[in-house]
Amino acid sequence: EPEVTQTPSHQVTQMGQEVILRCVPISNHLYFYWYRQILGQKVEFLVSFYNNEISEKSEIFDDQFSVERPDGSNFTLKIRSTKLEDSAMYFCASKRTSGSSYEQYFGPGTRLTVT
Amino acid sequence: AQKVTQAQTEISVVEKEDVTLDCVYETRDTTYYLFWYKQPPSGELVFLIRRNSFDEQNEISGRYSWNFQKSTSSFNFTITASQVVDSAVYFCALVESGAGSYQLTFGKGTKLSVIP
Repeated sequence: EPEVTQTPSHQVTQMGQEVILRCVPISNHLYFYWYRQILGQKVEFLVSFYNNEISEKSEIFDDQFSVERPDGSNFTLKIRSTKLEDSAMYFCASKRTSGSSYEQYFGPGTRLTVT
Repeated sequence: AQKVTQAQTEISVVEKEDVTLDCVYETRDTTYYLFWYKQPPSGELVFLIRRNSFDEQNEISGRYSWNFQKSTSSFNFTITASQVVDSAVYFCALVESGAGSYQLTFGKGTKLSVIP
């Protein structure tokens, strides 16, 4: 069964450094998402991406964040200058757009630790 | 205003007991979708069920059942004869049809511990 994959599983970085989190969505999916979960808290929406552009973003997704689909398979989240409060689990998700299929399928997550 | 409320932060039950996880939602949309996701200790998010606002039929899948009641804006999840493998954090989530990109709005989750 196809699944969303994410790399790396765990990333440790120093404050102020740039990080890129990578995701490979399910191949026939067209909507892509990034969510964040600070340890012990709820999962929060960051950004959605469709047709090679951002379709919606939350207040969390400020100028430090960017997303890209550099080729036909990868979907990346970049944080330009990491802060301590960026430490969280980052989930990528993808969704088909056809019909009433609104299930989003999540990847296993990348745990980002900023020191 | 919180759109998805899971009032139970943590629940502990003894194996084989039944347990119900509560979820109350808030939306102005007439068409919306409700979800339950499971997050085991390994951390991934596992899709369990989707429910459409226009379909109030309850659903049963093995030991899992869901009770959707529009009159009380609730979408509760019951596990019958709980097992240790059910120990996880369970999230209820909402997608509003008016949300352009159909992003999920999650509740804060309920941590279920099943004690052997």
